[in-house]
Amino acid sequence: DTAVSQTPKYLVTQMGNDKSIKCEQNLGHDTMYWYKQDSKKFLKIMFSYNNKELIINETVPNRFSPKSPDKAHLNLHINSLELGDSAVYFCASSQGPRNLFFGEGSRLTVL
Amino acid sequence: AQSVTQLGSHVSVSEGALVLLRCNYSSSVPPYLFWYVQYPNQGLQLLLKYTSAATLVKGINGFEAEFKKSETSFHLTKPSAHMSDAAEYFCAVSVPRGGSEKLVFGKGTKLTVNP
Repeated sequence: DTAVSQTPKYLVTQMGNDKSIKCEQNLGHDTMYWYKQDSKKFLKIMFSYNNKELIINETVPNRFSPKSPDKAHLNLHINSLELGDSAVYFCASSQGPRNLFFGEGSRLTVL
Repeated sequence: AQSVTQLGSHVSVSEGALVLLRCNYSSSVPPYLFWYVQYPNQGLQLLLKYTSAATLVKGINGFEAEFKKSETSFHLTKPSAHMSDAAEYFCAVSVPRGGSEKLVFGKGTKLTVNP
C-alpha cells in the first residue's frame, strides 16, 4: 500500500491545455501539500491544506487551483499550461508540519 | 527570514569513505532542521530531523547530523559510503507561515559514490 500516491506519474501536453494531477494519502494525516521541483531540482512549496482548508498559498499563479474534497485527497488543476510549468510536482502529507511523507512525483512536460 | 544553504551542489566520494554534506541555516528563532534524500525518479524520504532535543541526531541508513548553533550548521555525515547512498540530498528548515509552518529546502547536493 502506497502511503501517498499521485496520478499520473507522467504527463505530456501542449501549451494552453488544462490538466489535473490527483493525490491521495492513506496515512490519516490532516495536512497535505503540493511542492514543485524545477529542472534544477529546486523544491518549493505551492499549497498546503489542513483538513480541507487552504492554509498556505505561496504566491502561485491563479492558473493553479488546488482542491481538497476530503482530508485524504488533494488535487491540483492547472489551466492554460505554459512552458514554465514543466516540472515535477510532489504531493506530501503530514500530521503536524515536521514529518512530511512525499509521493513519488508527477512529471509534467509542456510542449 | 529562515533559510538554508547547502555548500556544494555535487559531492563525490569513494565507496567506504566518509560522507560529509554541508548545510548552514539562517533563522531568527530556534530552528527545526531536516535532511531528506531523493533517489532517482522517486519522492523525498526523511533521513533525520532536529527539533531542539539532542544536538547529535541519528537517522536512517547510518546517517547522522550535528546541530551547531555557534556555527549555524547542520552538516550530514556517514562514516562509510555505500554505493546505494548515491542520491540527491536536501537540507530543509521549518518556517512559521500564517499560523502554520512550511519547509524551505536548500538547493540540494548530489552525492556520487565511486567504486
